[in-house]
Amino acid sequence: EVQLVESGGGLVKPGGSLKLSCAASGFTFSDYYMYWVRQTPEKRLEWVATISDGGSYTYYPDSVKGRFTISRDNAKNNLYLQMSSLKSEDTAMYYCARTARASYAMDYWGQGTSVTVSS
Amino acid sequence: QIVLTQSPAIMSASLGERVTMTCTASSSVSSSYLHWYQQKPGSSPKLWIYSTSNLASGVPARFSGSGSGTSYSLTISSMEAEDAATYYCHQYHRSHTFGGGTKLEIK
Repeated sequence: EVQLVESGGGLVKPGGSLKLSCAASGFTFSDYYMYWVRQTPEKRLEWVATISDGGSYTYYPDSVKGRFTISRDNAKNNLYLQMSSLKSEDTAMYYCARTARASYAMDYWGQGTSVTVSS
Repeated sequence: QIVLTQSPAIMSASLGERVTMTCTASSSVSSSYLHWYQQKPGSSPKLWIYSTSNLASGVPARFSGSGSGTSYSLTISSMEAEDAATYYCHQYHRSHTFGGGTKLEIK
């Protein structure tokens, strides 16, 4: 059974940093591209980052480029999101998700970890 | 980036009623890269329909998807209570974007 379990969320002040983790199991982690996606309090879904299966390629939208870094440890089956220079608009539930090969769909999602940026 | 607009934002349907919701893209999207997710309160989104018309594992056959270019739709042939949820469309063309969602309620 595919499982994705996020952790590391919490309350952080504007300008602060936070690192999220996602523990993967039930599939060959190193075979899949992975995503981070967030859902705002208004329930809007936003793509945050993509990392290739080997970790060599990463992609971000302009809204987080230069502030967020996605990485992975294929030996430990873990995905990470390092977030810095956090803003109030980064407040959201953060999900890790697996790529469905060839279609770029997100076929499995974790339960999410909540990030609140507030003074 | 491509903007996805879902309509209606909120709708209600009676049990047994046919339901259709739409997703309109600001530019043409490959049908291979247009997907739908179902989300219920307190849960994460679930892949529901991928590549326009393919049902994800476990999705009832009363669901179907269609479309091309800039216009896509999700249809439920006969509404059931368990179908009440919010449905989001998602596209990939150089970057990923999601629609604002259609909340489907029981009338």
